[in-house]
Amino acid sequence: EAGVAQSPRYKIIEKRQSVAFWCNPISGHATLYWYQQILGQGPKLLIQFQNNGVVDDSQLPKDRFSAERLKGVDSTLKIQPAKLEDSAVYLCASSFGTGIDEKLFFGSGTQLSVL
Amino acid sequence: GQQLNQSPQSMFIQEGEDVSMNCTSSSIFNTWLWYKQDPGEGPVLLIALYKAGELTSNGRLTAQFGITRKDSFLNISASIPSDVGIYFCAGKETSGSRLTFGEGTQLTVNP
Repeated sequence: EAGVAQSPRYKIIEKRQSVAFWCNPISGHATLYWYQQILGQGPKLLIQFQNNGVVDDSQLPKDRFSAERLKGVDSTLKIQPAKLEDSAVYLCASSFGTGIDEKLFFGSGTQLSVL
Repeated sequence: GQQLNQSPQSMFIQEGEDVSMNCTSSSIFNTWLWYKQDPGEGPVLLIALYKAGELTSNGRLTAQFGITRKDSFLNISASIPSDVGIYFCAGKETSGSRLTFGEGTQLTVNP
């Protein structure tokens, strides 16, 4: 079974530029998450989708971050304009459901460096 | 929101030793998950716990869901070099609520 696919693996940009990340979840997984992981910290949820609808985006900095999952399968996360503090690994995860027995499966992440 | 305190932050042990790490929360959780993250990779699920008092093993790994439902423990027996990595606990309050992660325990195993 294929895992969660993410691209690119690495991205280096200058502050105030824009960047986009792509994620393809495990087939059949209705729930998709984007997490931000700053070096030395645990993953922090940015946004959760259930199919193509947003369930939780309370921790997404909406002035610069946006995400979409138009057809309920793959998703893109965009940052515009980027700031130095956005340097982090951006992890995509998916799960079959959101019940108490939910298990999240993660992709390898995109490491973003903002110079 | 919920906070998870994971300890210790880092551990340096010799190959063959046993390891213990734990996670405590400020609120009651109904799900505890333990993940391992290798450099340059995403976290990989090790063990999932769903009932207070539950004790679950996965090879040399054993995790327990605390009776108070505010803590969880992970033990690794007879450590080997490939156990090196960062171990994260994650908890969930209720069905549909967000999964909160601890800050991680960095494990180093000296051969």
